[in-house]
Amino acid sequence: AQSVTQLDSQVPVFEEAPVELRCNYSSSVSVYLFWYVQYPNQGLQLLLKYLSGSTLVKGINGFEAEFNKSQTSFHLRKPSVHISDTAEYFCAVSSSNDYKLSFGAGTTVTVRA
Amino acid sequence: DAGVTQSPTHLIKTRGQHVTLRCSPISGHKSVSWYQQVLGQGPQFIFQYYEKEERGRGNFPDRFSARQFPNYSSELNVNALLLGDSALYLCASSFTDSNNSPLHFGNGTRLTVT
Repeated sequence: AQSVTQLDSQVPVFEEAPVELRCNYSSSVSVYLFWYVQYPNQGLQLLLKYLSGSTLVKGINGFEAEFNKSQTSFHLRKPSVHISDTAEYFCAVSSSNDYKLSFGAGTTVTVRA
Repeated sequence: DAGVTQSPTHLIKTRGQHVTLRCSPISGHKSVSWYQQVLGQGPQFIFQYYEKEERGRGNFPDRFSARQFPNYSSELNVNALLLGDSALYLCASSFTDSNNSPLHFGNGTRLTVT
């Protein structure tokens, strides 16, 4: 079975500053990795995904993430955040032998002017 | 194109009652999954259905059941509601049942059990 750990529960950041959200996973088989964003009172929206190939993946809204197999990490980054990036961010993993998507506990990003 | 739609958006039930939540997937998507999101936590997998067959089940009691219809819409049923069942219930659809097929989520049904 796979699992996900999001290392920061809350990340406050100033507008136009960079942000990094950390995610580590554990799995004994090949994994697929995802980042989702959840705005208040809404469902989850896919930001980006790693399935195979290049370890640096780019997503929507200027976000990118890097898959690091040796460190079992999939950290999310954005070079310059906006107020509108204030939301909950979830890292998720699925594996080749399990149907379900396993989510981390989430990281709340609060962007201040 | 319409996204994943869920109904109702909010629901208040009493302990011991039964509830049915409904989900319509994105047109063309044949797989539907259900997740429970308790306040302050990440979503937890409940069920996955593909082509009307159950493909996976999470660690939830038998009070939870689901089904998928020929038009690929789905229902989640919860019997004998407990206070701990209060949560946001999310439905997600994907084109296939493949583990690398991204999930598209609806806005959820907020269930409150009193």
